[in-house]
Amino acid sequence: AQSVTQLGSHVSVSEGALVLLRCNYSSSVPPYLFWYVQYPNQGLQLLLKYTSAATLVKGINGFEAEFKKSETSFHLTKPSAHMSDAAEYFCAVTPPSGNTPLVFGKGTRLSVIA
Amino acid sequence: DTAVSQTPKYLVTQMGNDKSIKCEQNLGHDTMYWYKQDSKKFLKIMFSYNNKELIINETVPNRFSPKSPDKAHLNLHINSLELGDSAVYFCASSRIGGGGPFFGQGTRLTVV
Repeated sequence: AQSVTQLGSHVSVSEGALVLLRCNYSSSVPPYLFWYVQYPNQGLQLLLKYTSAATLVKGINGFEAEFKKSETSFHLTKPSAHMSDAAEYFCAVTPPSGNTPLVFGKGTRLSVIA
Repeated sequence: DTAVSQTPKYLVTQMGNDKSIKCEQNLGHDTMYWYKQDSKKFLKIMFSYNNKELIINETVPNRFSPKSPDKAHLNLHINSLELGDSAVYFCASSRIGGGGPFFGQGTRLTVV
């Protein structure tokens, strides 16, 4: 079975500081990996995805993530946090074949301090 | 146009009632899902429906039943609602081959 672990249920950064949200996966086959963002009282929006092409993936809103097989990690980063980045972030995993539903991590709440 | 739309956005009902949540996608996707998000924000798959094949999550009580009249719609019917059913329910859709599902805005169900 596949799973993801998000380290840190809550991360707080200052405006303009580096954002680093951690995600480690467990999978018996090379997986597809995703990061979603959820703003308060809204649905989930896809930030970026890794689907076995380039290991460094760029997404929307200045976010990027790097797939590291040796570390089984897919950490999300952004060089400079904005107040508008405050939200809940979810890492998710699925095998590359078929339409197996995503398995989500427990989420990391990002707070941005002015 | 909204890609994945759910109605209603909020639903407050009494224990024991039966209710339905509707979902429609206009993306031409073949697969649709229902996810449940609990009070701790944890997201768990309930059902997936791919070209009329229903995949049931065995941990979901049989009071929950998805119904798909066509490829663009996947409704969720819940019988005999219980307090523990209170949650946010998300509909999502995706195309075959992956790429990440698109999510609706969610339906916040409150059972009193």
